[in-house]
Amino acid sequence: DVKVTQSSRYLVKRTGEKVFLECVQDMDHENMFWYRQDPGLGLRLIYFSYDVKMKEKGDIPEGYSVSREKKERFSLILESASTNQTSMYLCASSITGVDGYTFGSGTRLTVV
Amino acid sequence: QKEVEQDPGPLSVPEGAIVSLNCTYSNSAFQYFMWYRQYSRKGPELLMYTYSSGNKEDGRFTAQVDKSSKYISLFIRDSQPSDSATYLCAILDNFNKFYFGSGTKLNVKP
Repeated sequence: DVKVTQSSRYLVKRTGEKVFLECVQDMDHENMFWYRQDPGLGLRLIYFSYDVKMKEKGDIPEGYSVSREKKERFSLILESASTNQTSMYLCASSITGVDGYTFGSGTRLTVV
Repeated sequence: QKEVEQDPGPLSVPEGAIVSLNCTYSNSAFQYFMWYRQYSRKGPELLMYTYSSGNKEDGRFTAQVDKSSKYISLFIRDSQPSDSATYLCAILDNFNKFYFGSGTKLNVKP
């Protein structure tokens, strides 16, 4: 089974801190994604990457950046955390879209 | 108008009931339709996918697509407490972009 591992299940950070969320997948998938999930808003795409060192903005990239230095690792960076970035963050990977995504277990980030 | 609309529930049913979960979508060009199940404090997992109109069965689960009405459904027969989760519909467009519903929370009472 493909496994997508997110390094932290729960994080509490202070406003203004730089925050790194790490995601690693073990099945050589080309495509990786970062979403945030909020009640009533569903899943919203932040950034995605179809290859190493490649990144594309999703629907809500403001306040975030990403890094993909290795194929298996996709990092989400909150440059200066704000309270409105309190959310569940989900990483996913896929071979192709029609195969669906494999999601990690999520990181619940609280910014205080 | 959002690309995908899903009734958020929550939906509470007794064990053994038939459950119907539904989504509507706006773009008639959408072709791939999926259902994800998300247990509490977990990431979503792919449950079923279908490409065309009609029904697709997998055990107690049936996915149904009506392209003429732009309506997709997931039916769960003989529902079990272990089916209690949030169910998300997802639709893939021709540019490999996913549109997710906001999820319906289901509780199956023993």
